[in-house]
Amino acid sequence: KQEVTQIPAALSVPEGENLVLNCSFTDSAIYNLQWFRQDPGKGLTSLLLIQSSQREQTSGRLNASLDKSSGRSTLYIAASQPGDSATYLCAVRKGRGYNKLIFGAGTRLAVHP
Amino acid sequence: GAGVSQSPSNKVTEKGKDVELRCDPISGHTALYWYRQSLGQGLEFLIYFQGNSAPDKSGLPSDRFSAERTGGSVSTLTIQRTQQEDSAVYLCASSIRQGDNEQFFGPGTRLTVL
Repeated sequence: KQEVTQIPAALSVPEGENLVLNCSFTDSAIYNLQWFRQDPGKGLTSLLLIQSSQREQTSGRLNASLDKSSGRSTLYIAASQPGDSATYLCAVRKGRGYNKLIFGAGTRLAVHP
Repeated sequence: GAGVSQSPSNKVTEKGKDVELRCDPISGHTALYWYRQSLGQGLEFLIYFQGNSAPDKSGLPSDRFSAERTGGSVSTLTIQRTQQEDSAVYLCASSIRQGDNEQFFGPGTRLTVL
């Protein structure tokens, strides 16, 4: 059974710091991995999608990497800003024929001025 | 609208009542998903629709839960005889098709069962 773990559960940093959020999964046979952001009381915003054949994806100040063999993904946020404060979730899809995403519990990030 | 929309945004109901939650996916998206986000449980898959194919109901927690999708667009999630443990945020997502496409989520419906 696929399990997704995110470390740390919570993180508080001063504005301007570069930071790394970690996601690990127990079954390396994944089809893709997706990073989301969730603001309090809101739905999920898709940040980055990495296919199993890819090593990384970048969007603005965000960079996500994937190491399938070790069952790990990291989300790197450069020059953090207070507006980055949110919960960050990673989710994996097992295979093309599998419909559901399996989510980690998330990392709650607070960036203070 | 450009995104996935859900209604109502909040629903408070009494134990034992039935509730209906609605999802409007992004226009042109053929795949639609329902998830539930509970305190302490994280996000759990409930059900998936793809075009006219039979839905994947493997995540529905009990037979009190059902969903339909009319005309390949709007979907309704129905919970019968609600219980307090049904209290959660119910999220809907859509994607262009099944497979490698990103899932885009709506804002969710917060359900509180008293």
